[in-house]
Amino acid sequence: QQQVKQSPQSLIVQKGGISIINCAYENTAFDYFPWYQQFPGKGPALLIAIRPDVSEKKEGRFTISFNKSAKQFSLHIMDSQPGDSATYFCAASEDSSASKIIFGSGTRLSIRP
Amino acid sequence: DAGITQSPRHKVTETGTPVTLRCHQTENHRYMYWYRQDPGHGLRLIHYSYGVKDTDKGEVSDGYSVSRSKTEDFLLTLESATSSQTSVYFCAISVGAPTDTQYFGPGTRLTVL
Repeated sequence: QQQVKQSPQSLIVQKGGISIINCAYENTAFDYFPWYQQFPGKGPALLIAIRPDVSEKKEGRFTISFNKSAKQFSLHIMDSQPGDSATYFCAASEDSSASKIIFGSGTRLSIRP
Repeated sequence: DAGITQSPRHKVTETGTPVTLRCHQTENHRYMYWYRQDPGHGLRLIHYSYGVKDTDKGEVSDGYSVSRSKTEDFLLTLESATSSQTSVYFCAISVGAPTDTQYFGPGTRLTVL
């Protein structure tokens, strides 16, 4: 079963545009929602994360929007740059469980110059 | 990269042969994880460890075993490799609580012919 559904699978955005990646989850016990960024040939690296006590978190050009009632969260990349071209994974976990970090299937983002 | 190394980085093997992948960390973190990454599936947890000789199964553990005899080393073994185990394998550690930020190693690309 896929507990975290991510869309789209791939995304092409013009330089300077806004990139938006969406995720939905099923388990209401999830209480930590990180996003990871992965460049080709590298391991994923934490980009930004949010907990459900806030509806939005912003770090530079990256913003997470969180809708607890809809069980959805999204990543917005403002002023997208070619260097942002990478694969992005959303994830969700329960603090009480060492193993329960569930990753989405990933979105391959390409920023056209 | 949080002091995580994986070896080998690339391996080609034949169906039915045993394979062991090694993950080494330099900072004595308690939690270590093995994931596999496949197109369309994101990252899926194979096994994890919460201390020396303390391990547990993840989402896709069939066909894999692990061992952790020292804090710094976490081994993943494919007892009899199959073509369905062709994948990129990532080791990760948690810094602090188990579901805090996970830091990933550089990955091992395994091809089973």
